[in-house]
Amino acid sequence: SQQGEEDPQALSIQEGENATMNCSYKTSINNLQWYRQNSGRGLVHLILIRSNEREKHSGRLRVTLDTSKKSSSLLITASRAADTASYFCATAGGGNAGNMLTFGGGTRLMVKP
Amino acid sequence: NAGVMQNPRHLVRRRGQEARLRCSPMKGHSHVYWYRQLPEEGLKFMVYLQKENIIDESGMPKERFSAEFPKEGPSILRIQQVVRGDSAAYFCASSPRAGAFNQPQHFGDGTRLSIL
Repeated sequence: SQQGEEDPQALSIQEGENATMNCSYKTSINNLQWYRQNSGRGLVHLILIRSNEREKHSGRLRVTLDTSKKSSSLLITASRAADTASYFCATAGGGNAGNMLTFGGGTRLMVKP
Repeated sequence: NAGVMQNPRHLVRRRGQEARLRCSPMKGHSHVYWYRQLPEEGLKFMVYLQKENIIDESGMPKERFSAEFPKEGPSILRIQQVVRGDSAAYFCASSPRAGAFNQPQHFGDGTRLSIL
């Protein structure tokens, strides 16, 4: 199976609610990154959290990383209809594999106005 | 806009033809990555290149697929004798030379390849 696995696979919420997405991975990492993808478009980088960091914030986004459990979560607070997209976690491993990203299957978020 | 540029956005080929996908990285970036995405799935790493060098091609199929990043010009992903299973979105990403570790990758909007 994949290095990064997100859950849930799909999430539907009302505007204003918070959305939480989780990601698990299997091997050691240099960092973990979250990306957003709108339909038919490329990926947009949201946040990068290094393996020695536990939490990071960017605007309405909050990312946590628990290396002991090999898991991360992305929280979007006060969601908006424009947040509707697919969200992917991706891990960058150590050593020579450090540059390639291993993606999970994504969480499809729908925010209803 | 100095983002990652991919062309064409859409490419239709018949079985047995060749597909050439182009990627110009962001200005100042010398690391290029190619990924493939099937519908409703995440991206799968294919190949990592620096100028004139293939660094990691562990995700590339052994046959029919090749990639290059010449000293001058865009990176090219080439698929020979395409088959229906090659239908997918192919994304290119780039990152800067310095501090390639712990740097985000910047993605283009992809090329959607359809095989008839």
